Amino acid sequence: DVKVTQSSRYLVKRTGEKVFLECVQDMDHENMFWYRQDPGLGLRLIYFSYDVKMKEKGDIPEGYSVSREKKERFSLILESASTNQTSMYLCASSLDLTDEAFFGQGTRLTVV
Amino acid sequence: AQKVTQAQTEISVVEKEDVTLDCVYETRDTTYYLFWYKQPPSGELVFLIRRNSFDEQNEISGRYSWNFQKSTSSFNFTITASQVVDSAVYFCAHAGRDSWGKLQFGAGTQVVVTP
Repeated sequence: DVKVTQSSRYLVKRTGEKVFLECVQDMDHENMFWYRQDPGLGLRLIYFSYDVKMKEKGDIPEGYSVSREKKERFSLILESASTNQTSMYLCASSLDLTDEAFFGQGTRLTVV
Repeated sequence: AQKVTQAQTEISVVEKEDVTLDCVYETRDTTYYLFWYKQPPSGELVFLIRRNSFDEQNEISGRYSWNFQKSTSSFNFTITASQVVDSAVYFCAHAGRDSWGKLQFGAGTQVVVTP
């Protein structure tokens, strides 16, 4: 059974903290993605990676960075968390950029 | 720029009714893909279908069917004889050739099926 696993289901952090969201896939997929989901806005792409150490900005990269040191792992970093980054974060992976994406269960992050 | 509009925020139906979810997209790409995903209460998005811009054939999979019409830039989704398990948020999405990988999602439609 293919899997995308996000390290935490729920996370509460304080304003100004550095936050790491981790995502691991076991499908040997080339591409990995980080989305943010907010009510009424659907999913918005933050960053994606099409290869190890390669990354490309999505629609809302401000305030975020990413790291992909190994093919199976893609990390989202909030350098200095702010309350407007309170959201549901979804990680996904795909074999090809035009293929279906497989999603993790999501991390609900609350910044207080 | 691409844009996907799902005008229906929420649809409530009684079990066994049919429900149609609308999706309208804007694109300048001549080559693109359209997708539907389902997000049940557990939160994990589940892939339902992918269509490419050159294939306007309608598709049926069990109780699900999709109607793709390039002339109206629409890719609508119908659930026939709805069941309680169909209760979820459904997202339509678009990926264009000029920005492969940058999937554009609609805002989603919440479907509530009551017994």
